[in-house]
Amino acid sequence: KQEVTQIPAALSVPEGENLVLNCSFTDSAIYNLQWFRQDPGKGLTSLLLIQSSQREQTSGRLNASLDKSSGRSTLYIAASQPGDSATYLCAVTGTASKLTFGTGTRLQVTL
Amino acid sequence: DVKVTQSSRYLVKRTGEKVFLECVQDMDHENMFWYRQDPGLGLRLIYFSYDVKMKEKGDIPEGYSVSREKKERFSLILESASTNQTSMYLCASSLIGASGRTDTQYFGPGTRLTVL
Repeated sequence: KQEVTQIPAALSVPEGENLVLNCSFTDSAIYNLQWFRQDPGKGLTSLLLIQSSQREQTSGRLNASLDKSSGRSTLYIAASQPGDSATYLCAVTGTASKLTFGTGTRLQVTL
Repeated sequence: DVKVTQSSRYLVKRTGEKVFLECVQDMDHENMFWYRQDPGLGLRLIYFSYDVKMKEKGDIPEGYSVSREKKERFSLILESASTNQTSMYLCASSLIGASGRTDTQYFGPGTRLTVL
């Protein structure tokens, strides 16, 4: 059974810092990996999707990498801003199009 | 922009009631999903559907059923609500990607259900 772990569970950084969020998964037979953002009490917003054949994807200040063989992905956020404060979730797509989610990293960017 | 809407943001029901949660997407997506989200447990898949009238059990289907009569609408039904079904319920939809698997999932705003 696929398990997805995100470390750290919570992170607080000052504005302007570059930061890395980690995601690991136990079964490397995945089709893609997604990173989502969730604001308190809200639904999820897709940030980046990396296909299993890709190594990384970039969108603005966000860069996600994927090392399928080692079961790891990182989300890099450059020049963090208070508006980046949210919970970040990673999810992997395995068999039958099912996503397995990690429990998230709660990020707070302080002024 | 893809839009996924859910019928209610907040819902309070009593134990034993039949509860319907509705989800509608406007982008002609084949796949639709229902999750519940609980503190410390993350998102867990209840049911999903990859076509009209098709459904597949997720990881925690017990106590739930679903209905997909039209492509744009996916309903989650709690036949007899119980207090342990108090949770945030999230609906999502996606296309089928080039790999034949689910592509980017788009989520609705969620329904916070409280069962008393």
